[in-house]
Amino acid sequence: KQEVTQIPAALSVPEGENLVLNCSFTDSAIYNLQWFRQDPGKGLTSLLLIQSSQREQTSGRLNASLDKSSGRSTLYIAASQPGDSATYLCAVRALNYGGSQGNLIFGKGTKLSVKP
Amino acid sequence: KAGVTQTPRYLIKTRGQQVTLSCSPISGHRSVSWYQQTPGQGLQFLFEYFSETQRNKGNFPGRFSGRQFSNSRSEMNVSTLELGDSALYLCASRTGGLYTDTQYFGPGTRLTVL
Repeated sequence: KQEVTQIPAALSVPEGENLVLNCSFTDSAIYNLQWFRQDPGKGLTSLLLIQSSQREQTSGRLNASLDKSSGRSTLYIAASQPGDSATYLCAVRALNYGGSQGNLIFGKGTKLSVKP
Repeated sequence: KAGVTQTPRYLIKTRGQQVTLSCSPISGHRSVSWYQQTPGQGLQFLFEYFSETQRNKGNFPGRFSGRQFSNSRSEMNVSTLELGDSALYLCASRTGGLYTDTQYFGPGTRLTVL
């Protein structure tokens, strides 16, 4: 059974710092991995999607890496800003028996606070 | 393009009642998924529909059901509500074709069961 773990559960940093959020998963048979952000009481916003054949994806100040063999992904945020404060969720799309697409399995998230 | 919309945004029900939540996906998206989010369990997958057929199902009791219409709009129904069903219910859509793609989420329906 696929399990997704995110460490740390919470993180507080001063504005301008570069930071790394970690995600690990137990089964390397995945279709892809996505990073989302969630603001309090709101839905999720997709940040980056990495296909299982890819190693990393970049968007602006965000860079996500994927190491399927070790079951790890990292989200790197450069030059953090107070507007980056949110909960960041990692999710893997499972690979069903027979090779069909499974559902997204989420970690519990890392709550990030960026202090001005 | 309009995003994923969910109605209603907030709902208060009592134990034993039933509830229906609605989701309109992004135009052109044929896959709709439903998730339950609670502080203790986090985000848990309920089911996914693609072209009116249930494609994947999570580990929830039969009180939770869903359907998808020919225009890709989806509804989720919970019968015989329990206190533990209080949660944020999120709907998400994607094109759902052969290649996996980004999932877009709606703002959610906050259900409170008293």
